[in-house]
Amino acid sequence: GAVVSQHPSRVICKSGTSVKIECRSLDFQATTMFWYRQFPKKSLMLMATSNEGSKATYEQGVEKDKFLINHASLTLSTLTVTSAHPEDSSFYICSAPMSGTGDSPLHFGNGTRLTVT
Amino acid sequence: QKEVEQNSGPLSVPEGAIASLNCTYSDRVSQSFFWYRQYSGKSPELIMSIYSNGDKEDGRFTAQLNKASQYVSLLIRDSQPSDSATYLCAANTGGFKTIFGAGTRLFVKA
Repeated sequence: GAVVSQHPSRVICKSGTSVKIECRSLDFQATTMFWYRQFPKKSLMLMATSNEGSKATYEQGVEKDKFLINHASLTLSTLTVTSAHPEDSSFYICSAPMSGTGDSPLHFGNGTRLTVT
Repeated sequence: QKEVEQNSGPLSVPEGAIASLNCTYSDRVSQSFFWYRQYSGKSPELIMSIYSNGDKEDGRFTAQLNKASQYVSLLIRDSQPSDSATYLCAANTGGFKTIFGAGTRLFVKA
C-alpha cells in the first residue's frame, strides 16, 4: 500500500485563488519531505525541501511567498499555491525518504494535478 | 550546476528483447543513484538503487554504475509491454536531496 498519501489528486481552481496540497507519511515519520513539480513530458523539478519544525528550503527560482510550505508535524507537510495563475498548472508530487540515511531513495505520493483556469 | 542527463527517446524494442537505458551525471559528489519508472499521469516508483561501481541485478533489471565515467545504466531483460513507461535516472546530491534526469520513454512492442 501507499506509504505517502497526497491529497487532493486533482484540483481545478480559478486564477487568483489559493490551493492547499497535503502530503502525509503513513506508518513512518518524515522529518524531511520534498516537493517536486513536473510539467508535461518534462522531468521532476525539485521545488523545495520541507523540514519539520523549521522553514522550508527553496530551490533557486522558486518563489517562497507563492509556494508556502508548512511541515508542522512528523507526518504532514502542506504546499499552498497562493494566487494561482494558469502557468502554475502542473503536476505536483511530494516525497519522503524511504529510510533515515542521507542516501535513501524516495517514496512518492500519487501527485496532485493542478489546473488553474 | 548539478545535472543528470538522459536520452529522451523514445526507445522502442520488441517484446522479449533487452532494453538499455543510459544516464550520465555531472556531480562527482553524488554517491547514490536510482532508477524510477513513471507511467503516464502517475508518480514515479523505485526500480533500482545502486551505490557501488559495478552491476546490481534484481529480477529482469540490472543497474550498472561507473563512477569514474559518471555513468549509470539500466538493462531490462525479456522486455514486456507492461514495461512501457518513462524511466527516470536520479542522483542523490547529499542530505536526501535527489535530482532527476528528463527521463527516457520506452515502448515495448508486442
